[in-house]
Amino acid sequence: GAVVSQHPSWVICKSGTSVKIECRSLDFQATTMFWYRQFPKQSLMLMATSNEGSKATYEQGVEKDKFLINHASLTLSTLTVTSAHPEDSSFYICSARDLLAGVYEQYFGPGTRLTVT
Amino acid sequence: DAKTTQPPSMDCAEGRAANLPCNHSTISGNEYVYWYRQIHSQGPQYIIHGLKNNETNEMASLIITEDRKSSTLILPHATLRDTAVYYCIVRVEEGTASKLTFGTGTRLQVTL
Repeated sequence: GAVVSQHPSWVICKSGTSVKIECRSLDFQATTMFWYRQFPKQSLMLMATSNEGSKATYEQGVEKDKFLINHASLTLSTLTVTSAHPEDSSFYICSARDLLAGVYEQYFGPGTRLTVT
Repeated sequence: DAKTTQPPSMDCAEGRAANLPCNHSTISGNEYVYWYRQIHSQGPQYIIHGLKNNETNEMASLIITEDRKSSTLILPHATLRDTAVYYCIVRVEEGTASKLTFGTGTRLQVTL
């Protein structure tokens, strides 16, 4: 089946620094990738949708200048949390849609746990 | 996309069938019903989806009522590894705007 990877699986950073999370589709081409955030004991919240080669579309309330998304190829999207603060600590999950599947299946990565100290 | 309503939690004995209900009374004609599950600290896993016919795969069965206002996910023989949060999601299929919006889900606890 389709596999989506994320790197790193967990990261600890100091307040004020930036951290980049990578999302890769390993065995398929993803025209669209999605970034979600999940706080403890809560559901996934969609942050943004990125299409290869174009600017990401952010959900209401998500700061585009703080959460930079780059989708430069059909297999890679990155999320950069800039000037991170402790309240940005969360579980970040990416998801990719398979172009060749013909249906709009979404495959999820294993997630990246970010802790800002 | 239509909203869904699920019970917050359910218990099921190992080996028994787990029946997880979902209400989606405002579903539109072009919206599909999707089920995903999330095991603790992992990314969501696709289970099954359907439009109006009942569907079955190696993981589960999906029963959709004739009026499409509700559905039931059935795990025929639940195991401890099926303990997870199960999400019922409805969404349109066409267009690049199609996206999965997660509700609160049902936390299924499978016990010995």
